Amino acid sequence: GNSVTQMEGPVTLSEEAFLTINCTYTATGYPSLFWYVQYPGEGLQLLLKATKADDKGSNKGFEATYRKETTSFHLEKGSVQVSDSAVYFCALSGGGGATNKLIFGTGTLLAVQP
Amino acid sequence: DTGVSQDPRHKITKRGQNVTFRCDPISEHNRLYWYRQTLGQGPEFLTYFQNEAQLEKSRLLSDRFSAERPKGSFSTLEIQRTEQGDSAMYLCASSPRAEGINEQFFGPGTRLTVL
Repeated sequence: GNSVTQMEGPVTLSEEAFLTINCTYTATGYPSLFWYVQYPGEGLQLLLKATKADDKGSNKGFEATYRKETTSFHLEKGSVQVSDSAVYFCALSGGGGATNKLIFGTGTLLAVQP
Repeated sequence: DTGVSQDPRHKITKRGQNVTFRCDPISEHNRLYWYRQTLGQGPEFLTYFQNEAQLEKSRLLSDRFSAERPKGSFSTLEIQRTEQGDSAMYLCASSPRAEGINEQFFGPGTRLTVL
């Protein structure tokens, strides 16, 4: 079945460092791909999405490109801030006749130090 | 702006008791989802409604779990004869009526602790 694998955390960075969180997926067909973020004490929020190959999703300085050839959707940010500290989840939906349900990775905790 | 709301936010119960959670989706969102999230894991899909019809249930949803969405608006998730393994955060999400894949908007969750 469909699945998502993302790098384990925690990831600890200094402010203004470059961030990459790796995400790869397994799916038949053409799923949509998402990054959700969960800030401390808050609910899941959509960060960005991409619905077809080579699409780039971007929001709040974060970017991810849908790479069908490598089945990846890595999250990047050029300069992280302390306020980016949160848990980041990669997810997919659709593809291969599946419903609209989201399939999540296990999450990656990002801690940004001043 | 009212997002997805869930009630209660926290529930502590004793093993063997029944519990019921409520989810109010964003107005006019016809799709509603329930997920379960345990510590250190991503959310896992439980069930999906389109309007009042329950269209998919995960194998995670044992016969002790039942979900309803009687008028296509709010939804309830009931767990009968709770077990300690049911302790988790229960998340509700909704998405709008549209073709294709749409983003899901999540509520704050109900944290269940079974003693």
